[in-house]
Amino acid sequence: AQSVTQPDIHITVSEGASLELRCNYSYGATPYLFWYVQSPGQGLQLLLKYFSGDTLVQGIKGFEAEFKRSQSSFNLRKPSVHWSDAAEYFCAVTPPFGTDKLIFGTGTRLQVFP
Amino acid sequence: DSGVTQTPKHLITATGQRVTLRCSPRSGDLSVYWYQQSLDQGLQFLIQYYNGEERAKGNILERFSAQQFPDLHSELNLSSLELGDSALYFCASSVSTGARSGDTQYFGPGTRLTVL
Repeated sequence: AQSVTQPDIHITVSEGASLELRCNYSYGATPYLFWYVQSPGQGLQLLLKYFSGDTLVQGIKGFEAEFKRSQSSFNLRKPSVHWSDAAEYFCAVTPPFGTDKLIFGTGTRLQVFP
Repeated sequence: DSGVTQTPKHLITATGQRVTLRCSPRSGDLSVYWYQQSLDQGLQFLIQYYNGEERAKGNILERFSAQQFPDLHSELNLSSLELGDSALYFCASSVSTGARSGDTQYFGPGTRLTVL
């Protein structure tokens, strides 16, 4: 079935440590790929997106993501996490055909310890 | 601040009732999307409008309906409410013309609906 998978429900890291959040998709063709962040009580904010071209995408707040076609993955990374990065992170896709509706993964909750 | 506004912020109502959620898109955005976020279903796409016309439908229940008005604001109507309809309802807007473009969707702060 067509889907977006975030295997990690909850991740805990120490402030200053590196971070990688995993995202895999299952579609016949490459969808448009997005990472959104949701802080407590807030709406969703786009961190970055990938359509084509350079497979390493830079986003806001020091985040980057790498698209790997062979692994159907679009993992989010940050070299050094700050306490303010604690939030829920959603991987999302726009399927290869149709309109711009977003299909979201189940989210990964990031906890940051000082 | 995304520029997308949603009212009300919170809504508490009883089963069987009907409510209307309102969304004002960012200035210049013609597409409006509605999403539902609940504990059991996660974040789900409900429906998309472009310039007053319905463009795409997701897992939207028949008890739910939406429309986009000439001034581009949108309303989501939920009727015959059930306990399971309790969720956070998000509206998003983009410059998309309705076709697949990957334009960034800007999300409002959401309306939290509690059905008792």
